[in-house]
Amino acid sequence: KAGVTQTPRYLIKTRGQQVTLSCSPISGHRSVSWYQQTPGQGLQFLFEYFSETQRNKGNFPGRFSGRQFSNSRSEMNVSTLELGDSALYLCASSRDGLAINYEQYFGPGTRLTVT
Amino acid sequence: KNQVEQSPQSLIILEGKNCTLQCNYTVSPFSNLRWYKQDTGRGPVSLTIMTFSENTKSNGRYTATLDADTKQSSLHITASQLSDSASYICVVILTGANNLFFGTGTRLTVIP
Repeated sequence: KAGVTQTPRYLIKTRGQQVTLSCSPISGHRSVSWYQQTPGQGLQFLFEYFSETQRNKGNFPGRFSGRQFSNSRSEMNVSTLELGDSALYLCASSRDGLAINYEQYFGPGTRLTVT
Repeated sequence: KNQVEQSPQSLIILEGKNCTLQCNYTVSPFSNLRWYKQDTGRGPVSLTIMTFSENTKSNGRYTATLDADTKQSSLHITASQLSDSASYICVVILTGANNLFFGTGTRLTVIP
């Protein structure tokens, strides 16, 4: 079956702009989580959506937001971009979050560069 | 202070040799501990998932161990291959919530 897909794969934006990233989970998966990965901080959890509701949230400012649609596809939005937002943004899907029985599958990521 | 520490930061080994990567954590109580492999430019791939009560879990040439008393986990790679060159990330997931803590990873390079 098809894996997790993310679009676009690469993006260059200017400080102050906003950006929307998209994630399509594996068919049948209702949980979608978003992560930021940078060389300095490593992987950090942004938030998780389940059945169109944000279920968990990491420690990121309100400029980072997301949503999930009825078909489980998810989008992540970053407003007022800062240079420090340059990172690889990863999306992962699972049947139901990170409980022990559920594998989590990552997409290839979107590489965002803010200039 | 990072609540999940991994060591070493980087490691170079010869093809065919074994190696062990370490993960020490302070967060608790946890639901499960996971090891992921991340190739350069790709998303992480799950290797093992262990609960608090499990001591060991294998996935082919990868074997993870867990000592809940000392709060340490290790990932042992047997008979390394060039394709094992990647970053290996330890993740601790807390009980009762999808709250998770990532280690900073170990960068493994296998050379011929």
